[in-house]
Amino acid sequence: GAVVSQHPSWVICKSGTSVKIECRSLDFQATTMFWYRQFPKQSLMLMATSNEGSKATYEQGVEKDKFLINHASLTLSTLTVTSAHPEDSSFYICSARPGTDLGDYGYTFGSGTRLTVV
Amino acid sequence: QKEVEQDPGPLSVPEGAIVSLNCTYSNSAFQYFMWYRQYSRKGPELLMYTYSSGNKEDGRFTAQVDKSSKYISLFIRDSQPSDSATYLCAMRSSSASKIIFGSGTRLSIRP
Repeated sequence: GAVVSQHPSWVICKSGTSVKIECRSLDFQATTMFWYRQFPKQSLMLMATSNEGSKATYEQGVEKDKFLINHASLTLSTLTVTSAHPEDSSFYICSARPGTDLGDYGYTFGSGTRLTVV
Repeated sequence: QKEVEQDPGPLSVPEGAIVSLNCTYSNSAFQYFMWYRQYSRKGPELLMYTYSSGNKEDGRFTAQVDKSSKYISLFIRDSQPSDSATYLCAMRSSSASKIIFGSGTRLSIRP
């Protein structure tokens, strides 16, 4: 149980275009989802926390107009990188908090999306 | 000072060795402690979790938490080449949903 599906797994886009990444909880409802960014050989950097039906909470230094997060349902959150530039190239990972006891500890992660902006 | 400190490694040990991975933290409010394993180009997967202080064992893995020293450990017995990955410690307080991650330790098990 507690599976999170993230798509696409990799994407290449041209500079200036927008890219949408989807994160779905397949077998549980996730009231809270998290979006991370990870650079090579570095740890996960939390970008924002999204709660179903409300605006996302962004971490300091993350541009909310550039990284649009929508959490429209209890099983789906999306991250849209708007007007992408090469410096936005990175590995983006979502995670979801199950509404069970395990949700106290083990937020389930998606498999990640490798974004390359050319 | 970072809230969670973890030696990035890399750490290379021979197959069959006991591996010890550690993290220190500064926030005494942390109550939930986790260890994640991440293979290259994949999302992290939850490996072990504990609440407050104490030990927890699951197969070849043992997690320890010493809240008095603000120190957590993960031990891997009879290490296998398939254990080669990056191991991230993570923790959070009872009042916050945000998990704080260590920087991760890259582990390599030599056949």
